[in-house]
Amino acid sequence: QVHLQESGPGPVKPSETLSLTCSLSGAPVFNDSLSSDYWSWIRQPAGKGLEWVGRIDTSGNTNYNPALKGRVSMSVDSSHNQLSLNLNSVTAADTALYYCARESFWSGYSHGFDYWGQGILVTVSS
Amino acid sequence: SYELTQPPSVSVSPGQTARITCFGDALPKQYAYWYQQKPGQAPVLVIYKDSERPSGIPERFSGSSSGTTVTLTISGVQAEDEADYYCQSADSSGSCWVFGGGTKLTVL
Repeated sequence: QVHLQESGPGPVKPSETLSLTCSLSGAPVFNDSLSSDYWSWIRQPAGKGLEWVGRIDTSGNTNYNPALKGRVSMSVDSSHNQLSLNLNSVTAADTALYYCARESFWSGYSHGFDYWGQGILVTVSS
Repeated sequence: SYELTQPPSVSVSPGQTARITCFGDALPKQYAYWYQQKPGQAPVLVIYKDSERPSGIPERFSGSSSGTTVTLTISGVQAEDEADYYCQSADSSGSCWVFGGGTKLTVL
């Protein structure tokens, strides 16, 4: 059973960098089986909808939400089976519950975000 | 930026059929996915690739696609189906995922 757990240092001040880690158990970050696993960060402000932040694939290639205007970066630490998210120059608008999620690809098609972490609340405040 | 449009709310009585729509210009070319989210919980995938149902999801959940609109249908709605539902798809480039604004399903 795949299990994802987000973690982070706590509140972030405006203009600083938000850094989160997603620890994975039950599956390797890099999967060389017939399927391909992509790893995404998705966020949700309180009482609002879901927003995709970005993803990283098994080759380390990344796609980011253009709405975040180049403030986001993601990486993978395969030795620790962890994913990382950095979002710089944060403002109060970046306050949200941040989820990491797995997306499986089979035969070139996404099968959706089938495993999610429980989420971590990040507050941007001075 | 690309948008997926959902109705804010849908209400049905137990046992009836609920239909939640999602509109997007790229939907004729991109698959859609549906998620159920209950308060205080992470979303759960209920439909992928327009109409496929993951293992463990009840058969009363189904999905369909017609042109620029995809539909999540819940047949024989139960009280436990009350939740927020989100559609998800890609923009025309296929490199950016987008979520709809969400639909709150109320079981009367």
